[in-house]
Amino acid sequence: NAGVMQNPRHLVRRRGQEARLRCSPMKGHSHVYWYRQLPEEGLKFMVYLQKENIIDESGMPKERFSAEFPKEGPSILRIQQVVRGDSAAYFCASSPRAGQPTLPYNEQFFGPGTRLTVL
Amino acid sequence: LAKTTQPISMDSYEGQEVNITCSHNNIATNDYITWYQQFPSQGPRFIIQGYKTKVTNEVASLFIPADRKSSTLSLPRVSLSDTAVYYCLVGDIDSGYSTLTFGKGTMLLVSP
Repeated sequence: NAGVMQNPRHLVRRRGQEARLRCSPMKGHSHVYWYRQLPEEGLKFMVYLQKENIIDESGMPKERFSAEFPKEGPSILRIQQVVRGDSAAYFCASSPRAGQPTLPYNEQFFGPGTRLTVL
Repeated sequence: LAKTTQPISMDSYEGQEVNITCSHNNIATNDYITWYQQFPSQGPRFIIQGYKTKVTNEVASLFIPADRKSSTLSLPRVSLSDTAVYYCLVGDIDSGYSTLTFGKGTMLLVSP
C-alpha cells in the first residue's frame, strides 16, 4: 500500500529555468494539496486540487507558479523562471475526500517532499 | 483560524515523558486540535487529534482542558527516534475541506 510519492526528491535548477515537481497521491485519494517549506519555517499551503479542478490556490504566488491534477497521471507543480527565493522543500499531501465526517477530520498524508535548489 | 503558540524547542532524555503544550486562546466551538510530527527530510505525519478531554492512541496522548484554550501532547518514554518537530494545528470541523495551517512547531531533541 504505497504512500504519497513525489519525484524527484532533489532538483537543482539555475535561475530562469523551469522546475516540474510531480506527486502521485495514495491509492483511492482524489484530493491533493501542495505546501512549501522554507528553511527554518513551517509548511505554508499553496494549492488544493481535485481531479481536473483547482479548488483553492490562495497560497500560490500569482506569477510563475501553476499546478494541475489531470484525470490521468500525477499532480504537477510547475515553477517557471525560477529564482533563488524559490529554493525550498515542496510537499504534496493527499486525502481520500475533504470534510469526511468521521475522525480523524481532514487527515492528510504527506509525501517525502522535493527539495528544490536554485543556483 | 485560531492562532497557536508553542515552545520553539524542548530537550529531553531517553525514557522520559515529554509534554508539549500548545496555546490556542481564540479557539472556536467548531475547531478541533491536531498534532503532526515531522522528521528531518520527511513530510509531516499525523499523530493524534481531539476535541475535548483526553485522547490516547498507540503513539501519544492529547490532553485538552475544559476551556480548550490549550492542549498538551504527551509522549511517554521517548526514544532517540522521537527527535522531530511537532506541530499543533487548529481546524474547523464544519468546513467542507480544510487546508492545514502550520506554525513553526516545537523542535524536540532527545538525547541518550
